[in-house]
Amino acid sequence: DAGVTQSPTHLIKTRGQQVTLRCSPKSGHDTVSWYQQALGQGPQFIFQYYEEEERQRGNFPDRFSGHQFPNYSSELNVNALLLGDSALYLCASSLKGRINEKLFFGSGTQLSVL
Amino acid sequence: AQSVAQPEDQVNVAEGNPLTVKCTYSVSGNPYLFWYVQYPNRGLQFLLKYITGDNLVKGSYGFEAEFNKSQTSFHLKKPSALVSDSALYFCAVRDTLLPGNTPLVFGKGTRLSVIA
Repeated sequence: DAGVTQSPTHLIKTRGQQVTLRCSPKSGHDTVSWYQQALGQGPQFIFQYYEEEERQRGNFPDRFSGHQFPNYSSELNVNALLLGDSALYLCASSLKGRINEKLFFGSGTQLSVL
Repeated sequence: AQSVAQPEDQVNVAEGNPLTVKCTYSVSGNPYLFWYVQYPNRGLQFLLKYITGDNLVKGSYGFEAEFNKSQTSFHLKKPSALVSDSALYFCAVRDTLLPGNTPLVFGKGTRLSVIA
């Protein structure tokens, strides 16, 4: 049973470019949450998707957008990249409504913006 | 708004000694509390959670945590530290009073270093 998988593992972009990160949730899970973890910081919530719609959003600008597909996989898109977008991007999966249960995390995508 | 504070950036402990990693939280309702560990170049791994019931929660790898409502704390503990416990530890909270699929809010993390 595969856990949460993310791709790519590493990515290098330049300022102003656009990037797409991908996530496949754990088998049986229908909800995907994205987090940004800057160096030396805790994960910051970006947004959450279930039933192919954004359900919750953290304090991130509109440059950050996402999508969820019918198979529950998800993409995170970041436009007009800034140096400050350099971070580890983590995807977590869960079941809708099960707020008393743990999140399962992928290993993350390390994004470097030069 | 829900929040978590981890007052120590770094905790150093000798192998075999007990360890404590501190966490305090702020919520409007009742909290669901979690501890996660992160090893280098890896995602977060679940250690334990408090939902309701017994204030002392036991988790993976010999870790435990004590929920203290009056002090709004959820400190992580282990009776005897191992060098392999060296990692980054995160406390996280969900506020049960908030509607919907409330996101998990994390602290900034505490780096634990166990010295042989």
